[in-house]
Amino acid sequence: GQNIDQPTEMTATEGAIVQINCTYQTSGFNGLFWYQQHAGEAPTFLSYNVLDGLEEKGRFSSFLSRSKGYSYLLLKELQMKDSASYLCAVRDSLQPSGGYQKVTFGTGTKLQVIP
Amino acid sequence: DAMVIQNPRYQVTQFGKPVTLSCSQTLNHNVMYWYQQKSSQAPKLLFHYYDKDFNNEADTPDNFQSRRPNTSFCFLDIRSPGLGDAAMYLCATSSATGTGEQYFGPGTRLTVT
Repeated sequence: GQNIDQPTEMTATEGAIVQINCTYQTSGFNGLFWYQQHAGEAPTFLSYNVLDGLEEKGRFSSFLSRSKGYSYLLLKELQMKDSASYLCAVRDSLQPSGGYQKVTFGTGTKLQVIP
Repeated sequence: DAMVIQNPRYQVTQFGKPVTLSCSQTLNHNVMYWYQQKSSQAPKLLFHYYDKDFNNEADTPDNFQSRRPNTSFCFLDIRSPGLGDAAMYLCATSSATGTGEQYFGPGTRLTVT
């Protein structure tokens, strides 16, 4: 199974940089996702890491260390619209029939951006 | 635009009255999922389909059933809703190849009175 830990809430100032951490303990690992979820809406995909290192995509970057079971999402030049929950999700490496690999979501980090 | 559509967006049902939520997709993805999400909690996987193969999570109550009549459509049936079943129900799809990122529909918020 998977156990995923994220801080419950964070607050940051508009224009600043914030780092949201995620640690996981897994029986198998084949990739980590970050999703953004605004209140009352569905999650939307932000990033995917399967190898160690940093993946940069505009204002958002995601880092993975498989040996440490650790990832972070870095948000730069924060905007008010970045206020949302950020969900870390881990994909299992187990492959039952058909190649499907289960994804387990963390409870999310609620980020509040203040002026 | 390719997308995942859920209907209705808001559903009110009475305690014990069966309800069906629907999901359709134009992405032609093999895999479709149903999640239950309660306030401030992680989305909880109820079941998923890989093509026609149905996979039930071990802790999904028997009260929840699903149907996938074809690639594009998937239904969630709640046979006897209880107050504890009030939640957001999210449908998602993914391709069985590539990174496996999931595309979510807007969700159906279920209220049980």
